[in-house]
Amino acid sequence: AQSVTQLDSHVSVSEGTPVLLRCNYSSSYSPSLFWYVQHPNKGLQLLLKYTSAATLVKGINGFEAEFKKSETSFHLTKPSAHMSDAAEYFCVGPRAGKSTFGDGTTLTVKP
Amino acid sequence: DTAVSQTPKYLVTQMGNDKSIKCEQNLGHDTMYWYKQDSKKFLKIMFSYNNKELIINETVPNRFSPKSPDKAHLNLHINSLELGDSAVYFCASSQARAYEQYFGPGTRLTVT
Repeated sequence: AQSVTQLDSHVSVSEGTPVLLRCNYSSSYSPSLFWYVQHPNKGLQLLLKYTSAATLVKGINGFEAEFKKSETSFHLTKPSAHMSDAAEYFCVGPRAGKSTFGDGTTLTVKP
Repeated sequence: DTAVSQTPKYLVTQMGNDKSIKCEQNLGHDTMYWYKQDSKKFLKIMFSYNNKELIINETVPNRFSPKSPDKAHLNLHINSLELGDSAVYFCASSQARAYEQYFGPGTRLTVT
């Protein structure tokens, strides 16, 4: 069973509008969860991580994510999209002692 | 200084050949990984080493053989390359298994 499920394979927003990338996790305990970003033809970069210290996690480039145990969600948000945010985003969670990547969400930002 | 480096960045080869990809990390991490990213951007873990010991070995053809000479290096050797091996291969490292991972820039392998 997949540890994390990214609910949208593609999200398109206009520059300056909010971004919401959705991720649900399946775990009987509070897991460590991560969001990574991959710009075209680049490696993956850590955006933020949740390790049970605080439910609202702030990351780089204005992104943040909120861990909601009642909804088993860890959605990634940004108040105002920038053209440079166009990339592939991966939610990552544990399964069987290793990290498992979601299928990714492609974020397109329109001018 | 590059934290996780891979060589080569691009690799074009013919079916049936044998090739290697090298990975080095200078972060002092104990755990290293190999991932395969296909054309649909799906990332699949292939192998993981902790202090030179293999700890994760996913369902990968035995044509793929990882080797870790020391905890800073994890190389991937592929025998008898097939068309389906064409992908981007990423190396990563982390302080421990559940910690955040740092990725290399990837090696784009094209098998013709």
